[in-house]
Amino acid sequence: DTAVSQTPKYLVTQMGNDKSIKCEQNLGHDTMYWYKQDSKKFLKIMFSYNNKELIINETVPNRFSPKSPDKAHLNLHINSLELGDSAVYFCASSQRGGVRYEQYFGPGTRLTVT
Amino acid sequence: AQSVTQPDIHITVSEGASLELRCNYSYGATPYLFWYVQSPGQGLQLLLKYFSGDTLVQGIKGFEAEFKRSQSSFNLRKPSVHWSDAAEYFCAVGLLLSGTYKYIFGTGTRLKVLA
Repeated sequence: DTAVSQTPKYLVTQMGNDKSIKCEQNLGHDTMYWYKQDSKKFLKIMFSYNNKELIINETVPNRFSPKSPDKAHLNLHINSLELGDSAVYFCASSQRGGVRYEQYFGPGTRLTVT
Repeated sequence: AQSVTQPDIHITVSEGASLELRCNYSYGATPYLFWYVQSPGQGLQLLLKYFSGDTLVQGIKGFEAEFKRSQSSFNLRKPSVHWSDAAEYFCAVGLLLSGTYKYIFGTGTRLKVLA
């Protein structure tokens, strides 16, 4: 069983489109995250949700909107896609929020905006 | 500002050789420290972590790391590298700032293993 899964694995789309990436974890964790990894492999946290409540919201354009329908799911919706949004997006989860808990990562979604 | 530095972007070692990957952090107190590995096309997997206590921590896959407070470092080591260790390695810190916790990742070190 996959602990943290993301769909789709690859996403190619044109500028200006709206797209969503879905994430699900079956670990029973309370906290979920979205990260963006750029072409230089730099990994930066975007959002964190704890029990469906937003707890970390880094400086991210408001074209990005996370949605957590329940604590096992955290989806990322992106409006008006731009070339600079091309990256690999990782979902992760941890047992609780807080710095001492290990994060479990999904396999990533490679987004290419043309 | 808080930061994590991995000074080596690429490292190449021969199979069976020893390995040390460097990580330095900038933070007033001791943060929570992590090493993650990312194999090609995969997500990140935790190798080991340090919170307190013994400064030498053991992880999975034969890796260990040593915390040195005086040097603000948390270097990752392995005595004998296997070809399957070729991957990207990330050092990360978890810290509490103004009541909010933050994770900061280093820029990664890409390890290449020669047969």
